[in-house]
Amino acid sequence: SQQGEEDPQALSIQEGENATMNCSYKTSINNLQWYRQNSGRGLVHLILIRSNEREKHSGRLRVTLDTSKKSSSLLITASRAADTASYFCATGGAAGNKLTFGGGTRVLVKP
Amino acid sequence: EAQVTQNPRYLITVTGKKLTVTCSQNMNHEYMSWYRQDPGLGLRQIYYSMNVEVTDKGDVPEGYKVSRKEKRNFPLILESPSPNQTSLYFCATSRQGVFYEQYFGPGTRLTVT
Repeated sequence: SQQGEEDPQALSIQEGENATMNCSYKTSINNLQWYRQNSGRGLVHLILIRSNEREKHSGRLRVTLDTSKKSSSLLITASRAADTASYFCATGGAAGNKLTFGGGTRVLVKP
Repeated sequence: EAQVTQNPRYLITVTGKKLTVTCSQNMNHEYMSWYRQDPGLGLRQIYYSMNVEVTDKGDVPEGYKVSRKEKRNFPLILESPSPNQTSLYFCATSRQGVFYEQYFGPGTRLTVT
């Protein structure tokens, strides 16, 4: 089974609303990363949060990490149609130098 | 411009015909890796390399080979492709392992008939 698993699998919202997605993982980590993927294209890095950090911001993105619950959340505020994409969490450092991805959340932002 | 390039971008081949997918980066990154992406299974790591001549297996290495003779290149070799290797493949690089952000290539869509 995957180290990181996202919830929900799909999300549909109106432009201007906030989008929240969650990631749970199983083993201890060094860091957790979030990526965005537009249909069939390469992944783009959004935020990296280290295990000793609880919250991080980047523009309209806010990531939280709760290592006691082994979970993370990604919040996109004031969503735009251009935010339509799949979002993946990835955990690093749990098993050497392997990066393990979750199954992703598909976000549709309707104009 | 920082770039990760993959070639070819699209490939249709037949079972058993050896093929190589190339990956090249211009960022002097030490860490390079290969992933495959399949519907419902997310991205799974095939192989990774910490530096020249240092490679290690990821989660799904069976049926694949890699080599790292130069820092900038990390080719993925399928010696005898099979239909279950039909997938979307991504190369990714990072300054130093999984402790930093990964830069992904544009992907190679492989179909094995």
